[in-house]
Amino acid sequence: DQQVKQNSPSLSVQEGRISILNCDYTNSMFDYFLWYKKYPAEGPTFLISISSIKDKNEDGRFTVFLNKSAKHLSLHIVPSQPGDSAVYFCAAKGRETSGSRLTFGEGTQLTVNP
Amino acid sequence: KAGVTQTPRYLIKTRGQQVTLSCSPISGHRSVSWYQQTPGQGLQFLFEYFSETQRNKGNFPGRFSGRQFSNSRSEMNVSTLELGDSALYLCASSRGGLPTNYGYTFGSGTRLTVV
Repeated sequence: DQQVKQNSPSLSVQEGRISILNCDYTNSMFDYFLWYKKYPAEGPTFLISISSIKDKNEDGRFTVFLNKSAKHLSLHIVPSQPGDSAVYFCAAKGRETSGSRLTFGEGTQLTVNP
Repeated sequence: KAGVTQTPRYLIKTRGQQVTLSCSPISGHRSVSWYQQTPGQGLQFLFEYFSETQRNKGNFPGRFSGRQFSNSRSEMNVSTLELGDSALYLCASSRGGLPTNYGYTFGSGTRLTVV
């Protein structure tokens, strides 16, 4: 039962253009969402998060949008840079869960071409 | 400040053996969570320890176990290894506070290969 799904295993964009990574979830009890970036041979690093009471959060080139009715969130990267090439994971936390347990999607490999 | 340290980085074991992986969290962090990453599966939650107590547990068989010491360092153990246990094992530490303050920091992982 994959409660968080990233349906695109890979995405390729040109440098300077917008990258849009998508994530869908099924559990209506999720109340907090996060995006992580992962380079090979390294652990994931936190990028940006959003609470379920908001529909948008922006941090520099990164913006996360949350559509609760559609149970969908997206990460926009503008402008995309070659250094952004990595695997991106979305993750969610359920309000019924204490502690730090997160449910992750399968990841999307982003490639930004110079 | 020092990050999350996982040892060893790479490990090759034979089916049927057992393995112990170690995770040293960031100083001051009391929560340690373990995840298994396999291709196409994302990160699957194994368990979380907070102040030496298991606070959450994922859907893994009993062959997977863990513990946390008084200095917050954590170990996970996998007994009777199977080929399907080959994966990258990641630990993440945090202060373990309110849900809106994750400050989740991952280590670089231990790559376990079972042959």
